[in-house]
Amino acid sequence: DTAVSQTPKYLVTQMGNDKSIKCEQNLGHDTMYWYKQDSKKFLKIMFSYNNKELIINETVPNRFSPKSPDKAHLNLHINSLELGDSAVYFCASSQHIEGQSGGYGYTFGSGTRLTVV
Amino acid sequence: KQEVTQIPAALSVPEGENLVLNCSFTDSAIYNLQWFRQDPGKGLTSLLLIQSSQREQTSGRLNASLDKSSGRSTLYIAASQPGDSATYLCAVKGSARQLTFGSGTQLTVLP
Repeated sequence: DTAVSQTPKYLVTQMGNDKSIKCEQNLGHDTMYWYKQDSKKFLKIMFSYNNKELIINETVPNRFSPKSPDKAHLNLHINSLELGDSAVYFCASSQHIEGQSGGYGYTFGSGTRLTVV
Repeated sequence: KQEVTQIPAALSVPEGENLVLNCSFTDSAIYNLQWFRQDPGKGLTSLLLIQSSQREQTSGRLNASLDKSSGRSTLYIAASQPGDSATYLCAVKGSARQLTFGSGTQLTVLP
């Protein structure tokens, strides 16, 4: 199946711990993203990588560190977890075509529900 | 900075009704606009993608329109069914390759 897959689906951990979320896409897209969906269901961009290069880094605490070993993978590592980090984290991918309007749409993973206790 | 607004925030209709969901955005310099559906506790499912050069897209009972100059899009759902109940999200892709989301319309279709 062609898709964006992220693991784990659920993650419950204690404050202060370090955790990672993994994301892989087999769509051949050149750009990958991490989005955070808060308790009010609002989706906000965190990071964007194009061909392993960071192109968007919104105002995210530096406890969050994305890592892209290759253009098909974008992992999210979170240090010293805090209660406020509890949210659903979505990975997504897209293919951008310079010089053309549009390009392809975004494909999202099914999300990782992180609960910090 | 791009801002996306969706109205209404929630909508409840009886089965069989046709309905329209609205989306507006502040910066008309977009690459495309995408409508998604999100079921409770689930991920996002892409419904329709409209390129900036297009006026509308159709898929089954869904029709999305785009008026880039006025910064508006609508999602029309014909003959609504209880299975259409979900949150519908509008998102625009701007020049920063960034997808900016609206806060969604929570739709409930009553049997």
